[in-house]
Amino acid sequence: DAGVTQSPTHLIKTRGQQVTLRCSPKSGHDTVSWYQQALGQGPQFIFQYYEEEERQRGNFPDRFSGHQFPNYSSELNVNALLLGDSALYLCASSVLHEQYFGPGTRLTVT
Amino acid sequence: AQKVTQAQTEISVVEKEDVTLDCVYETRDTTYYLFWYKQPPSGELVFLIRRNSFDEQNEISGRYSWNFQKSTSSFNFTITASQVVDSAVYFCALSEWRDTGANSKLTFGKGITLSVRP
Repeated sequence: DAGVTQSPTHLIKTRGQQVTLRCSPKSGHDTVSWYQQALGQGPQFIFQYYEEEERQRGNFPDRFSGHQFPNYSSELNVNALLLGDSALYLCASSVLHEQYFGPGTRLTVT
Repeated sequence: AQKVTQAQTEISVVEKEDVTLDCVYETRDTTYYLFWYKQPPSGELVFLIRRNSFDEQNEISGRYSWNFQKSTSSFNFTITASQVVDSAVYFCALSEWRDTGANSKLTFGKGITLSVRP
């Protein structure tokens, strides 16, 4: 049984560009959450998708948007990248009250 | 608002020593969940334990044990006879109860970097 998968593993972008990160949830999980983890910090909640709708949102600007597909996979889009967006982006899939995390995508903005 | 405080930032021990990682939380909810995750250098968050607010029974899993005390809003994690492979960043996290079937967001502490020296 495959766990949560994310792609790509690493990404380097330039300020002002746009990026799309992808997540495939663990089998049987219908909820996907995204977190941003800056260096030396704990993960910060960005938003959560359930039944293809954004269900909860953290304190992130509208530059951060997402989507969930009928197969429960999800995308995180970030527009107009800033240097401060450099971080590890973690996807978590869940069912009931357990959340399992993927390996993350490390985004570097130069 | 929910908050998780991990006052210890870095701990260094010698192999076979016992070590306790502290976690203090704040929430106005009466029903909530507490978690511990391990993050090795690879970056993936590894789930260790989940505890709901109604279950204050301490838990032991091999060399790991957890002490949950609602009276002090603490959920501490002890590693007995530490090993080099325990070296990682450990996060405590809190989520509110949601009875809708979907999960609530996790609020994380800043993490504790544990180094176990041979």
